[in-house]
Amino acid sequence: SQQGEEDPQALSIQEGENATMNCSYKTSINNLQWYRQNSGRGLVHLILIRSNEREKHSGRLRVTLDTSKKSSSLLITASRAADTASYFCATDKSSNTGKLIFGQGTTLQVKP
Amino acid sequence: DGGITQSPKYLFRKEGQNVTLSCEQNLNHDAMYWYRQDPGQGLRLIYYSQIVNDFQKGDIAEGYSVSREKKESFPLTVTSAQKNPTAFYLCASSINRDNQPQHFGDGTRLSIL
Repeated sequence: SQQGEEDPQALSIQEGENATMNCSYKTSINNLQWYRQNSGRGLVHLILIRSNEREKHSGRLRVTLDTSKKSSSLLITASRAADTASYFCATDKSSNTGKLIFGQGTTLQVKP
Repeated sequence: DGGITQSPKYLFRKEGQNVTLSCEQNLNHDAMYWYRQDPGQGLRLIYYSQIVNDFQKGDIAEGYSVSREKKESFPLTVTSAQKNPTAFYLCASSINRDNQPQHFGDGTRLSIL
């Protein structure tokens, strides 16, 4: 079963607007990671947030983690056309296996 | 520049044929992974290796095989037993197994002739 589930599945916004994507998961985690994938390419790591952290920033990205609700959100502020991509959350399991479980992703389209 | 190289970018398989996808990394990472991605879907783990000469099955290992004879290399063979091999295959590596960020190659797209 999917550990991470993203919501919404697709999102279309205008350049300059903010984009928010959500991820829910089922079991305890050590950390949660967000990745980006441009069409036909590999994934690129964006942010890792640990289970004892509540919020993390990187440039125009802001990630929050609520372990009580087993959910995370990724906020992209002042979006650009170049942000158009699919975004995935990935969770580990507490057993430190190195295995990540990916959600099905949110496809973001930013219109110029 | 350090990174992960997957080849070929596109691959076609005939019925009953085994094909091998290459994955090489020069990041000096211990752990390597193979994922399968179907259209509009997330990634599913096929096999992973945490150290040379050792590997474990992931969630969808049936019809696939791997080897890890060198730290830099983790080839994936799609055997004729895999009845639905058409997909996008992604290789990744990480420093170790301690849930660190994974670095991905640009994938191989496999299709059936």
